[in-house]
Amino acid sequence: GAGVSQTPSNKVTEKGKYVELRCDPISGHTALYWYRQSLGQGPEFLIYFQGTGAADDSGLPNDRFFAVRPEGSVSTLKIQRTERGDSAVYLCASSWDVPPPGELFFGEGSRLTVL
Amino acid sequence: QKEVEQDPGPLSVPEGAIVSLNCTYSNSAFQYFMWYRQYSRKGPELLMYTYSSGNKEDGRFTAQVDKSSKYISLFIRDSQPSDSATYLCAMSARNRDDKIIFGKGTRLHILP
Repeated sequence: GAGVSQTPSNKVTEKGKYVELRCDPISGHTALYWYRQSLGQGPEFLIYFQGTGAADDSGLPNDRFFAVRPEGSVSTLKIQRTERGDSAVYLCASSWDVPPPGELFFGEGSRLTVL
Repeated sequence: QKEVEQDPGPLSVPEGAIVSLNCTYSNSAFQYFMWYRQYSRKGPELLMYTYSSGNKEDGRFTAQVDKSSKYISLFIRDSQPSDSATYLCAMSARNRDDKIIFGKGTRLHILP
């Protein structure tokens, strides 16, 4: 399909484990965002890439969270030593890298449950 | 104070009613204002996009921005049961590297 693809759609893990969440943006979109959405809350900004570089990573909650986008396309969000409070839906979105801020196209999210 | 405030609801209205959804914000640098709609277990989808102050209409939807009051609104006319969803306001400043910040979202139920 032509939309943003996120895998896995669901991930259950145990406290302390390492997790990777993958995002495949729409072809040609150079801007990529990661958000975290807890139940009953709006998307909380984590990190924003322009191409391969992180333009703003101020939303990453602590050094257990890290994201990469080595070739300017697919991105991976990495969470080390997971905690129960990390349980949430992790949303990825992409857009054209043309100012002003463009429409964000979201994937359906990766639902992370930390037991 | 959070940068973007939005009443989470839920808001229940009868079919055919006019719905008013609102957000306030604190950052005067915000220039771009968006409304996204999110159905259960889906990603948000863009509904309306406005720049600076003023009104924008698209079918049954009207977005209003009052920068002097730091207040934005979304009106839905002739509401339908299919409009039942969570509505998220979002906003961003002008610079190329500025992130897009979302409100908490308002859950809307249109009663048939």
